[in-house]
Amino acid sequence: DTGVSQNPRHKITKRGQNVTFRCDPISEHNRLYWYRQTLGQGPEFLTYFQNEAQLEKSRLLSDRFSAERPKGSFSTLEIQRTEQGDSAMYLCASSSSGEGSPLHFGNGTRLTVT
Amino acid sequence: SQQGEEDPQALSIQEGENATMNCSYKTSINNLQWYRQNSGRGLVHLILIRSNEREKHSGRLRVTLDTSKKSSSLLITASRAADTASYFCAPRMDSSYKLIFGSGTRLLVRP
Repeated sequence: DTGVSQNPRHKITKRGQNVTFRCDPISEHNRLYWYRQTLGQGPEFLTYFQNEAQLEKSRLLSDRFSAERPKGSFSTLEIQRTEQGDSAMYLCASSSSGEGSPLHFGNGTRLTVT
Repeated sequence: SQQGEEDPQALSIQEGENATMNCSYKTSINNLQWYRQNSGRGLVHLILIRSNEREKHSGRLRVTLDTSKKSSSLLITASRAADTASYFCAPRMDSSYKLIFGSGTRLLVRP
């Protein structure tokens, strides 16, 4: 169990650019989640995958955001035409399917949009 | 709302003292989980308590659950400076696969 891995750890981009983050979950976990967290707040749910299927997408996620999980393994989160309000920590988590299964979080990707 | 609300928002104690954090929620739940987050890191799962349990212990952690009041508490005994972190509760509804987090309690343990 090597834990959930997120890359890059930090990303600085200019407004209007596209960015893509990657998450490698724990290998046997079939559930994968993306959250966004701003300073002083708790993580906000963005989207959820069961294997390769994206089963829920938060209304917080505008059309500029897209997430994929091809083959039910790693996942990517892309933000197009970034805005300063997108600056945040983007957290990925994975879990198994059991009702009591805890979420295992990565250490996040911190995005700064200048 | 599935979200838990933690109270207090911030707590400052001296090393060796006990820290108590509270969580309230609004829906019926299957279980409730507590997580810790150190600055700049991801959340770490601490403990899970099921709806049919009233109290659970793990090391220096003690969690209680009162489903009639829709509330939970997390007690950290004999606190250490390393316990300085934000703590989040996450109630899980019966049919839900996701966890919704509140703003957390920021705990500062002074050496």
